[in-house]
Order: sequence, then C-alpha cells, then structure tokens
Amino acid sequence: AQSVTQPDIHITVSEGASLELRCNYSYGATPYLFWYVQSPGQGLQLLLKYFSGDTLVQGIKGFEAEFKRSQSSFNLRKPSVHWSDAAEYFCAVENTGGFKTIFGAGTRLFVKA
Amino acid sequence: ETGVTQSPTHLIKTRGQQVTLRCSSQSGHNTVSWYQQALGQGPQFIFQYYREEENGRGNFPPRFSGLQFPNYSSELNVNALELDDSALYLCASSFSGTAYGYTFGSGTRLTVV
Repeated sequence: AQSVTQPDIHITVSEGASLELRCNYSYGATPYLFWYVQSPGQGLQLLLKYFSGDTLVQGIKGFEAEFKRSQSSFNLRKPSVHWSDAAEYFCAVENTGGFKTIFGAGTRLFVKA
Repeated sequence: ETGVTQSPTHLIKTRGQQVTLRCSSQSGHNTVSWYQQALGQGPQFIFQYYREEENGRGNFPPRFSGLQFPNYSSELNVNALELDDSALYLCASSFSGTAYGYTFGSGTRLTVV
C-alpha cells in the first residue's frame, strides 16, 4: 500500500536561512507527488506537483522539490525562508487507482527572527 | 474564478446526532473529495465523487455518506456521531481526478460533545 512519511514533526529555521523538508514515500510505480501548505485554521494550498520528466520541480512562493527515485524521496526546499512561510507542510502521493491522495502527517515549520 | 466554499465553518453537535456539511466546488471542477483531518494529523481520505457517482472510498464506516449534485457541489453526511468524529472536514475539488492536485476549502470544524 502507498504511504508517505515525513520524518520531522516540526522544524525551526531562522528567517533568511535555507529550508529543506523531508518526505519519503512508498509506491510501486512512478508516483504522482505533491506538496501542500496549510496555515492555521485554513485549508491546504498546493505548492507544487511532480508527474514525470524533470526531477526538479518549481512551485509557488519560491519553493522547489526534487524527486529522487533511488531514495524514494521528494524533499521540499526553499533557499531563503520568510516569516510568512511559518505553517504546516504536507507531502502527498496519489494512490494507484488515482482516486485519492494519501497525505503524510505533516511538518510544522517555525520561523524565528 | 471562485475557490472552494464550505459551510458551515464551525459546528457543535451532540453524540448520536446527524450532521450535513456542504461544499461548493471551484468553477470548472467536476470531482469532489472529502477529507477528515484530526488535530495534529494529516488529512485522511473519506471518499470522492466524480460526475455524481462515488469514485472511491477510504476506511470510513457507512455512517459517512455523501452526495454530489449536477452543479458538482457536494454534501457529506455523518450519522450517529461519535466523539472521535470531532475534526476538521475538508472538501477539495479538482478536474477529472487528483492528478492535477486539489483546490481545498477552508474546512468545517466539527466538535462532537
């Protein structure tokens, strides 16, 4: 069965520092992979998605993610974090049947001044 | 272009009661999925509707049921509420499945007492 693991429950970075959020997935074939962001009390917003092709994917708000098949990873990165990036980040994979998206437990990002 | 709208935003119900949550899809989207997000967890897939038919279901009991209407809006009904049903219920719409990623509403916060 497909699954998503986000090893870090929470991460704290200084404003202006770089960020990498880890995501590992379990999937039998080439997956569709996603990163979403959720601000407190809000729904989720799609940051970026990977289907195929170039393994480095650019998203909104200056985020990017790299698909590494050999490591079953899809880590999210940002070169310089802003205070407004503080939120919960979810990695997700689409299931084999294509009718549902499976989410990880999330990583809470804190940004310190 | 309007986003996904959910109503009500907050709701308090008593154990054993029934509840109906509503969702208006983003314009042009024909697929609606419902997710349950418990506090501190990632969203868990409940079911998906595509062109008014249930297209897939997660591990939720039959007392969770849904509808999709010709205008692609949707309802989630939960009967015989239990305390563990307390959660944020998220509606997400997409065009023809999940591969394009979802547009999420802000959710309905259900509290069962």
